[in-house]
Amino acid sequence: QKEVEQDPGPLSVPEGAIVSLNCTYSNSAFQYFMWYRQYSRKGPELLMYTYSSGNKEDGRFTAQVDKSSKYISLFIRDSQPSDSATYLCAMSGLNTDKLIFGTGTRLQVFP
Amino acid sequence: GAVVSQHPSWVICKSGTSVKIECRSLDFQATTMFWYRQFPKQSLMLMATSNEGSKATYEQGVEKDKFLINHASLTLSTLTVTSAHPEDSSFYICSARDPGGSTYEQYFGPGTRLTVT
Repeated sequence: QKEVEQDPGPLSVPEGAIVSLNCTYSNSAFQYFMWYRQYSRKGPELLMYTYSSGNKEDGRFTAQVDKSSKYISLFIRDSQPSDSATYLCAMSGLNTDKLIFGTGTRLQVFP
Repeated sequence: GAVVSQHPSWVICKSGTSVKIECRSLDFQATTMFWYRQFPKQSLMLMATSNEGSKATYEQGVEKDKFLINHASLTLSTLTVTSAHPEDSSFYICSARDPGGSTYEQYFGPGTRLTVT
């Protein structure tokens, strides 16, 4: 079993839709939860991070962590064609530099 | 924001040759840099952690004699793929950690696509 599971998609939605992206994990030691966006042939860029459980909102993006279920989500409101990219979840424990990534979900937002 | 560059952005080499990839932090000093490999439709896999002035720490299954890492300064780490083979063809991405930040604050370079023929 992989430490982090993520549906690779692709997920295709119309412009303006609410998008829900999810990851599950098995390691209860994970404390930091991140979402990265990666455009084709580019390096990942950090979108949001959350420490431990809870919600965090930044503009059109909301990150949720449910540690009891080992489940994290990223919601994108009012999705735009420019949001079309691969979204990677990543996690790490305390006192470690190592990030464990999901496989990424490819999102396509069509006009 | 912090910027990390990589050079080259893509490279094609013949089987058996060596290729060097550079990773630079442009506006901050990075005591720690990371090297990842990403195969198509797969996640980023950490290959090694590079600390300035010391030997790199390699992940299990990564051949340290094949993937040579040098972190000679606070702004530059290099990855050399020695005696490259077609199975080494991949997307190699580095990241650098801002020493003033937390674990999650890793800034990624744009990646280097290596094709071995």
